[in-house]
Amino acid sequence: DTGVSQDPRHKITKRGQNVTFRCDPISEHNRLYWYRQTLGQGPEFLTYFQNEAQLEKSRLLSDRFSAERPKGSFSTLEIQRTEQGDSAMYLCASSVVEYNGYTFGSGTRLTVV
Amino acid sequence: GIQVEQSPPDLILQEGANSTLRCNFSDSVNNLQWFHQNPWGQLINLFYIPSGTKQNGRLSATTVATERYSLLYISSSQTTDSGVYFCAANFGNEKLTFGTGTRLTIIP
Repeated sequence: DTGVSQDPRHKITKRGQNVTFRCDPISEHNRLYWYRQTLGQGPEFLTYFQNEAQLEKSRLLSDRFSAERPKGSFSTLEIQRTEQGDSAMYLCASSVVEYNGYTFGSGTRLTVV
Repeated sequence: GIQVEQSPPDLILQEGANSTLRCNFSDSVNNLQWFHQNPWGQLINLFYIPSGTKQNGRLSATTVATERYSLLYISSSQTTDSGVYFCAANFGNEKLTFGTGTRLTIIP
């Protein structure tokens, strides 16, 4: 068990480009969550999956954002036509249904220039 | 709306001191967690504590659900305790709502 892995750790992109982040949860965890954290704030919920089903999406997740979790294993978060306001730390977490203690990954820091 | 508030926002202590961080929440919770975010951004789960008291080494936490607050105690502070401490709660759904955080700085 190596914890929750996120890739890449850092991403710098030009405004208007598309970016994709990957999250590998702890293998026995069937719930996977995406959060976004801006400087000086606490993380904010974006979406979560139970196995491969996406069960809840935040209003923060505009049409430019899409998340997938094929086969209920790893997940990807794609941002299309990035904007400077998308600059943030994107955090992934996983948990098991019966125990809601979350394990977070190290995050992907996105900078849109 | 649902709120999670933490106090104090900032705390500076000498190494070896004790501290108490507070988390107030606006509604009944079915899950409350404390996290430590280190200077590199990693969020570490400290306690899953919807009610009662738990201890782990120099850290302990108490949640009084009926009065809608939780406390995190840090004893004999070390410089590695520095960082931001967040409490976060589930209010009947899967979304964790995070508090505003307490930034703790331990001075050698």
